[in-house]
Amino acid sequence: DSGVTQTPKHLITATGQRVTLRCSPRSGDLSVYWYQQSLDQGLQFLIQYYNGEERAKGNILERFSAQQFPDLHSELNLSSLELGDSALYFCASSPSGLSSYNEQFFGPGTRLTVL
Amino acid sequence: DQQVKQNSPSLSVQEGRISILNCDYTNSMFDYFLWYKKYPAEGPTFLISISSIKDKNEDGRFTVFLNKSAKHLSLHIVPSQPGDSAVYFCAASARAWDTGNQFYFGTGTSLTVIP
Repeated sequence: DSGVTQTPKHLITATGQRVTLRCSPRSGDLSVYWYQQSLDQGLQFLIQYYNGEERAKGNILERFSAQQFPDLHSELNLSSLELGDSALYFCASSPSGLSSYNEQFFGPGTRLTVL
Repeated sequence: DQQVKQNSPSLSVQEGRISILNCDYTNSMFDYFLWYKKYPAEGPTFLISISSIKDKNEDGRFTVFLNKSAKHLSLHIVPSQPGDSAVYFCAASARAWDTGNQFYFGTGTSLTVIP
């Protein structure tokens, strides 16, 4: 158990809908990262938040947004969903996020299926 | 553009023998490299890392080798055990004090250790 929790574990929805994925980092970790893993793909970095502020942005679509709240939990919002958005979404946390030498601790993921 | 590549999607090894997993990268700015292990229905877990100032790092049965001139790293597992059967992801990061702690992941190699 990494200490990172993600809810829900599974989500099935229809095209055009909007969903929210939730992540609680390990106690004391200030950084939260979101990754997308599609079939046969590696983990694609989406976005990083550090202590409530956006820190780094990767291949995140404009239809996706995220935020980190004062209690440090984070939400990833996916809107106007398309079939291609079906994937595993992982959240990770690290103590800091201001150094490239911090390992990241991953949650179990949310499997999103868009029908 | 995949900056971290794992060209072998799968690998089978006999129990007790050596497993060698390979990873190539293209960005010469990467200065920190990690291996993560992933079991089904779980998030990736950190295994071992190496910074660019070293060419080898060892932790028990796991050793990571870094060849900067070839932009290549490898993970050696000796001896391999059935419990090592999992998907292994290589990841790389560049020191980026002003842009966060973004990791680039490969597509993974599925290792099967045959008893």
